[in-house]
Amino acid sequence: DGGITQSPKYLFRKEGQNVTLSCEQNLNHDAMYWYRQDPGQGLRLIYYSQIVNDFQKGDIAEGYSVSREKKESFPLTVTSAQKNPTAFYLCASSLGTATNEKLFFGSGTQLSVL
Amino acid sequence: GENVEQHPSTLSVQEGDSAVIKCTYSDSASNYFPWYKQELGKRPQLIIDIRSNVGEKKDQRIAVTLNKTAKHFSLHITETQPEDSAVYFCAAPTGGGNKLTFGTGTQLKVEL
Repeated sequence: DGGITQSPKYLFRKEGQNVTLSCEQNLNHDAMYWYRQDPGQGLRLIYYSQIVNDFQKGDIAEGYSVSREKKESFPLTVTSAQKNPTAFYLCASSLGTATNEKLFFGSGTQLSVL
Repeated sequence: GENVEQHPSTLSVQEGDSAVIKCTYSDSASNYFPWYKQELGKRPQLIIDIRSNVGEKKDQRIAVTLNKTAKHFSLHITETQPEDSAVYFCAAPTGGGNKLTFGTGTQLKVEL
């Protein structure tokens, strides 16, 4: 199960605060993804990156930002513009960039608002 | 818009019975259909997938069937066991094949 690590496991955000979720992989995968998981809504794509220094918006990118300065790292910032940030956040990676690639998920970060 | 619908949202079966979860998709160009299993408190993991050039694929007690004409695919679990209890997600490519869209998940509970 190793290879893709998310931290922290739990995170609390105060109103108006930006917080950053970490995602690191040592699988030498090209593509990385961020999903948000809410009860009854499945996994919704926030952002994805297919190559270093490039990323694309997913279905629910508003209020979030990402960077991909290194192949191994794809941090997600939840900004104060995200009005309903409480959710379980999952990072994933895949060897290639095609949609038929197997996704490897991290163990997730539970973000809550204080 | 392009989406993936999954039913039922919850499913309860007796141990040893079969379970079937169904998904429909809208993008006729979709050609890859994976199923992920997420046990309580754990990360999702791929359990089986099917490509559009076949109609069925089996792996021990699990199987996936695909009907491209009707745009639906199903997960079949036979001889269910308590360890099959989990949330199952289907997925399909959307957005011209640039991204994978997940269904809303099915909570399967296998009762003793």
